[in-house]
Amino acid sequence: NAGVTQTPKFQVLKTGQSMTLQCAQDMNHNSMYWYRQDPGMGLRLIYYSASEGTTDKGEVPNGYNVSRLNKREFSLRLESAAPSQTSVYFCASSVSVSGTGLDEQFFGPGTRLTVL
Amino acid sequence: AQSVTQPDIHITVSEGASLELRCNYSYGATPYLFWYVQSPGQGLQLLLKYFSGDTLVQGIKGFEAEFKRSQSSFNLRKPSVHWSDAAEYFCAVGARTGFQKLVFGTGTRLLVSP
Repeated sequence: NAGVTQTPKFQVLKTGQSMTLQCAQDMNHNSMYWYRQDPGMGLRLIYYSASEGTTDKGEVPNGYNVSRLNKREFSLRLESAAPSQTSVYFCASSVSVSGTGLDEQFFGPGTRLTVL
Repeated sequence: AQSVTQPDIHITVSEGASLELRCNYSYGATPYLFWYVQSPGQGLQLLLKYFSGDTLVQGIKGFEAEFKRSQSSFNLRKPSVHWSDAAEYFCAVGARTGFQKLVFGTGTRLLVSP
């Protein structure tokens, strides 16, 4: 049981390049999330997927797209990377069964992205 | 919309001393409240959570937190800090209606001195 896995761990891009961050969970969770973490800003929600087949914008979605490929996988794409997207990106998942309160989110180890 | 304030960016505590990390939230009703810990280079791990009931919540690693509605606070405490507790701590709040997203505070970095 690996929990939440993310690839790659580190990435350096040039301005304008594109890339996709991959996330997978093996806990049969319904909901998945992408956050970015910047110094002094805490974690900010980029996009989330409440359930398979749905995605919604979070607090800071500009410059990003997501795909909920299946129940296990949720990818984040940067179409044209900018230096402002230099950050640490975390994927998370939660059970999110309706009526059971707010469930714990389980986090992956993160991807450290630098855009030059 | 809910929000969270963690007023202390850094805190240094001597090993064996007690610890209290502050968290204040803004929400129109009683929210869901969480404390997460992030060790260097790692993802976040849940320490404890408050949904309802007893306002003193026990978590892992000897941590506890107390929900005080009158002060809109959810402070994290530990009676005796160990060097391995050095990490960054995040308070988070979730709404009780709509899809249950979390809003995180900016974090408090705990340094433990020998």
